Amino acid sequence: DAGVTQSPTHLIKTRGQHVTLRCSPISGHKSVSWYQQVLGQGPQFIFQYYEKEERGRGNFPDRFSARQFPNYSSELNVNALLLGDSALYLCASRVAPPGSLNREAFFGQGTRLTVV
Amino acid sequence: AQSVAQPEDQVNVAEGNPLTVKCTYSVSGNPYLFWYVQYPNRGLQFLLKYITGDNLVKGSYGFEAEFNKSQTSFHLKKPSALVSDSALYFCAVTPLPPPHGSSNTGKLIFGQGTTLQVKP
Repeated sequence: DAGVTQSPTHLIKTRGQHVTLRCSPISGHKSVSWYQQVLGQGPQFIFQYYEKEERGRGNFPDRFSARQFPNYSSELNVNALLLGDSALYLCASRVAPPGSLNREAFFGQGTRLTVV
Repeated sequence: AQSVAQPEDQVNVAEGNPLTVKCTYSVSGNPYLFWYVQYPNRGLQFLLKYITGDNLVKGSYGFEAEFNKSQTSFHLKKPSALVSDSALYFCAVTPLPPPHGSSNTGKLIFGQGTTLQVKP
């Protein structure tokens, strides 16, 4: 079975531009979360989506937005890119809805975003 | 504030020796605890979790972790380290929701990571 897939794997953007990152969850998983991992730090929670609705948001500015599609894939959008947005963006899927917390999350390989 | 601490940036151990990677947490109530491993240029791989029950949890690749409620710790252990275990290890917690009120997103709160270096 395919795991969580993310595209693209690497991306270079200029300050002020917009970026869209994509994620396909494991088949049968309806919950998708996004995390930002800055070099040398642990991942930070950005969003969670379940059944196409936002179920949680981390402490990130409104420049960050996301959505989930009927096939449960997801997009993370970042507007007006800053140098500080350079990071590894990880997508994770879980089989369980947000209320079932004892199921582990499965992560994709991430998208490495570099803002210059 | 809810947080996870991994007090060691790096742990060095010789192949064949036991290893311990430390983790402590600060959350209200009884959280669910997880360990993940990250190899270079890769995403995170799930190793093990503590939900309830026996304080010693066994996971993938011979790893285990011991939950200690009084010390709010969840240290990762392995009896005999392999060179291939060298990687970045993250401890994470999912806080349980309060009895009443807002739902919990199931988000993971991660520590800053510990680099494990196993030398031949």
